[in-house]
This record gives sequence, structure tokens and C-alpha cells, in this order.
Amino acid sequence: EDQVTQSPEALRLQEGESSSLNCSYTVSGLRGLFWYRQDPGKGPEFLFTLYSAGEEKEKERLKATLTKKESFLHITAPKPEDSATYLCAVQAFQTGANNLFFGTGTRLTVIP
Amino acid sequence: EAQVTQNPRYLITVTGKKLTVTCSQNMNHEYMSWYRQDPGLGLRQIYYSMNVEVTDKGDVPEGYKVSRKEKRNFPLILESPSPNQTSLYFCASSVRDRYNEQFFGPGTRLTVL
Repeated sequence: EDQVTQSPEALRLQEGESSSLNCSYTVSGLRGLFWYRQDPGKGPEFLFTLYSAGEEKEKERLKATLTKKESFLHITAPKPEDSATYLCAVQAFQTGANNLFFGTGTRLTVIP
Repeated sequence: EAQVTQNPRYLITVTGKKLTVTCSQNMNHEYMSWYRQDPGLGLRQIYYSMNVEVTDKGDVPEGYKVSRKEKRNFPLILESPSPNQTSLYFCASSVRDRYNEQFFGPGTRLTVL
């Protein structure tokens, strides 16, 4: 059964304190892994797509990496505006291409 | 502005009273879907639509109906809501074949008493 586990559930950082969020997955044939950001009271917003182990994507202070079993979202020198819940989702070859399996997210708080 | 809109944003209702949550997108996207988000369970897909008049069940379709008569609109219908349908609902859309890059609406928080 496809499974996505995100850790930690919550993370508090001081402004400027770099850290990483983890998304470990179990899926039979990974088509793709995706990161979304969700602000309170809003819908998720797409950030990155990763397709193969070793791939990396960057956007501002965020960098997403992928291995065969997990993905990391590295946050470098975070600012308070980076506070949000970060969701990881996987897409498997065995299920429909439109079927994304989401994790429960990591709630990040960046303190000024 | 490109967006997905949902109405209402908040709704409190009683068991058995039929309701409809509307969803509209202005990006000419072929694909639209509905999700529910519950604590500890993550986003789960309810129904999706590949194009006008083409809909199919997602992972948790029981108790829900949808229709896609126009490309821009994808309403979610609860014929007889029950308390276990209390949840946060999101509509999303994307270009066909780019399902990873879905645009989400702001959400509808539904409480069924």
C-alpha cells in the first residue's frame, strides 16, 4: 500500500536557523514526488516536482531533494513568511496519473 | 487573476439536508477534482473530472456526487450529509496531464450536526 510519512509534525525555528523537513515514502513505482505549501485558511500551493533519485529543485530559500526512499525540503535562513504547512505527495505508476497520495504535512513556524 | 473559487467558504448544516458546494476555475483547465482534508489523514481525493461530462470516483466517493456540465464548474453535492462528512473541502484544477501542478481553491469548511 502506498504510504507517505512526513516528519516532524511540527517544527519551530528561529529566523535564520536552517533545517530540513522529511518525507519518506513507500510506493510501488514512483512516478513523481511533489511538494506543496499550505498557508492557514488557504488551499495548498504547488512548489516542486521531483521525478528521479538525485534530482534537486530550488526556489528562493527552499531546496527539495529526492532519494529512492525519501525527499527532503531544506530551508536555508528561513524568514517568518516561510511559516506554513508543507505537504508532500507522491504519484505512483500503478495508480492513475491523476491520483496523488498526500502526507499529513509538517507545520513550520519561523520566529522573528 | 487565475484562480479557483469555492462557495460557500463556511457552512454549518444538519444531517440529511442536501447541500451543494460550488467550484469554478478561470484557467480553462480540463482537469478538476475534489479533496477532503481531515486531521491526521491528509488530503484525500473524492471525485475528479478529466473534462466536460467525464467524471470518476477518487479514493473516498461514498456520500458525494459531482457533475461537470461546463468546463469551468465542478460542483460537489451531498445528497444526505452525515456528521462524518464534517471536513475541510478543497477543489482543484490543472492542465490535463500536469496533475502534479494542481491549483487549489481556498477551501470550504463544512460542519454537519
